[in-house]
Amino acid sequence: DAGVTQSPTHLIKTRGQQVTLRCSPKSGHDTVSWYQQALGQGPQFIFQYYEEEERQRGNFPDRFSGHQFPNYSSELNVNALLLGDSALYLCASSRSSNQPQHFGDGTRLSIL
Amino acid sequence: KQEVTQIPAALSVPEGENLVLNCSFTDSAIYNLQWFRQDPGKGLTSLLLIQSSQREQTSGRLNASLDKSSGRSTLYIAASQPGDSATYLCAVAGGGATNKLIFGTGTLLAVQP
Repeated sequence: DAGVTQSPTHLIKTRGQQVTLRCSPKSGHDTVSWYQQALGQGPQFIFQYYEEEERQRGNFPDRFSGHQFPNYSSELNVNALLLGDSALYLCASSRSSNQPQHFGDGTRLSIL
Repeated sequence: KQEVTQIPAALSVPEGENLVLNCSFTDSAIYNLQWFRQDPGKGLTSLLLIQSSQREQTSGRLNASLDKSSGRSTLYIAASQPGDSATYLCAVAGGGATNKLIFGTGTLLAVQP
């Protein structure tokens, strides 16, 4: 039973570029949440998707957007990348919004 | 606004010691509290989840307690081993539509052989 899978594992971009990160939820899970973890910090909630809709959003600018597909997989898109966007981006899935979240290994994004 | 604090930020102990990690939160209206382990450069592994109606949860050498009224949780690790070396994160879920997690900044644990 595969857990939460994220791709790519590492990514290097330059300022101003755009990036797309991908997440496949654990089998049987329909809810996907995205978190940003800066070095030495705890993860910060970006947004959550359920039934292909953004259910709630954290304190992140509109440069951060997402999508959920009918198979429950999800993408996180970041436009106009800034140096401060360098972080580990974590995807978490759950069976529903009030069930425990299971995390993937993350995508390490570095902005030069 | 919910804030989660973890003390200490870092801890080094010799192998075999029992230890306690602390987590405090400012808003007692939580749905549940989770303790996670994170190895360097890796994702999060859930260790224990305590529902708001529970006082503690145990798994092997780990025991987590929850005191909602005082806004505190502790993670007790018995007979520590070098393999326990990692960052331990505490997170609270506030309920509502998304049950989003609010994390502390973690405690970096090093167990010396």
